[in-house]
Parts: sequence; C-alpha cells; structure tokens
Amino acid sequence: GAGVSQSPSNKVTEKGKDVELRCDPISGHTALYWYRQSLGQGLEFLIYFQGNSAPDKSGLPSDRFSAERTGGSVSTLTIQRTQQEDSAVYLCASSGGGAGNTIYFGEGSWLTVV
Amino acid sequence: AQSVTQLDSQVPVFEEAPVELRCNYSSSVSVYLFWYVQYPNQGLQLLLKYLSGSTLVESINGFEAEFNKSQTSFHLRKPSVHISDTAEYFCAVSEPGGSYIPTFGRGTSLIVHP
Repeated sequence: GAGVSQSPSNKVTEKGKDVELRCDPISGHTALYWYRQSLGQGLEFLIYFQGNSAPDKSGLPSDRFSAERTGGSVSTLTIQRTQQEDSAVYLCASSGGGAGNTIYFGEGSWLTVV
Repeated sequence: AQSVTQLDSQVPVFEEAPVELRCNYSSSVSVYLFWYVQYPNQGLQLLLKYLSGSTLVESINGFEAEFNKSQTSFHLRKPSVHISDTAEYFCAVSEPGGSYIPTFGRGTSLIVHP
C-alpha cells in the first residue's frame, strides 16, 4: 500500500530480551519519526530522521533504545534488555519534511513485555 | 520550547449534540497547529491544520478549529456529533523555521453515546 507500514503489529517478549520494530515510510518522504504511545500519556517523541542529516535522538528514554534508517528509507527501532515499562505502542510516521507538512502515521507496533 | 495542553482527558457527549475539545499551547514564536484523530485500532490521521491566513480552519467531516493567538488556543468544535466521531483526538504544535518535530498533547477521548 501507499501508507506507512509497521511490523510486527503485535509483539510479546520476555523481560530482558531485545526487540526490533520495523518501519517502512511512504516512498519519497525524507522525514521519519518514532513516537511511543502509552495509555493516558499521549505521544512521546523518541527520534527523528531527516534526509542525510544526523538524527535527533533527544527523545530516546535510555541507552537501551536505538534506531537506524538505512538508505533514507526503512527504519528499525531496537530496544535492548526490555523492561516492563517499555510496554507501549510504538508509532512510526513520515512526512515530506518541513514543520507545516502533514505527518502520516503507521498503525503502530504494540509491544508487551512480560 | 513548545508545549501543548489538552484540558480534558475524556469528553462524553450524546449523538447530535455539539462538542468542543480544548487545546492550549505554549510557544515563544509563531506556530503551526494541528488536530489529529485516532479511530479505534487505527493509526493517527490528520483532521485539520492551521499554518497561516484565516484563523478558522475546517475539516471535511464537519469539524472546525479556530486559532486564537491572544489566548494561545486552538479548540476543536463540531456542532453535531455522530457515533462515528468516537475516537481519540490529539492536538499538536510545531514551530516554523524551528525543529520539525511536532509536540503532541496527551489526547482527548471523545465518546459519543446514542
């Protein structure tokens, strides 16, 4: 399809395991965002990629979280040594860049750490 | 730094009644303002946005929002809601010329009862 695609849609993992979440943005979009959505907490910014610029990692909650974007397209968010507080919906979004551009969201990856 | 406050976490309303979802922002510069909607089990999608020009902006499904600079508000309104409007609504702000990372509010859950 033409939208932002995320996988897996649901992931249950044991505490201490590593997880990788994948995002395939809309073709041609230079900007890619990761947000985390927890119940009652709204959207928490994690990381932002824009073209070939260095990513803005200011929202990553700890050094267990990292993300990369290969070839300016697909992005992977990695959470190492998962903790129960990491349980949330991880949302990926993309846009054409620019503060006024519409951001298009994927349906999210629901992570449950048990 | 920019911030967004959505004053109501939940707004219950009867079908065909009017509704207002409140959003206030804080920013030291001019802003772009957005409302996104998240229907159950779906990703966020843009409802409407203010970039410049007319302070009243409308969506295709009957919602409208008015940018009020003096009150730093961007409240969302609809004169008559439908059951299908039941969703989570997020207000967001970004700064033209600044970081392209929008800040989202915590969301307001609109619950429309028959």
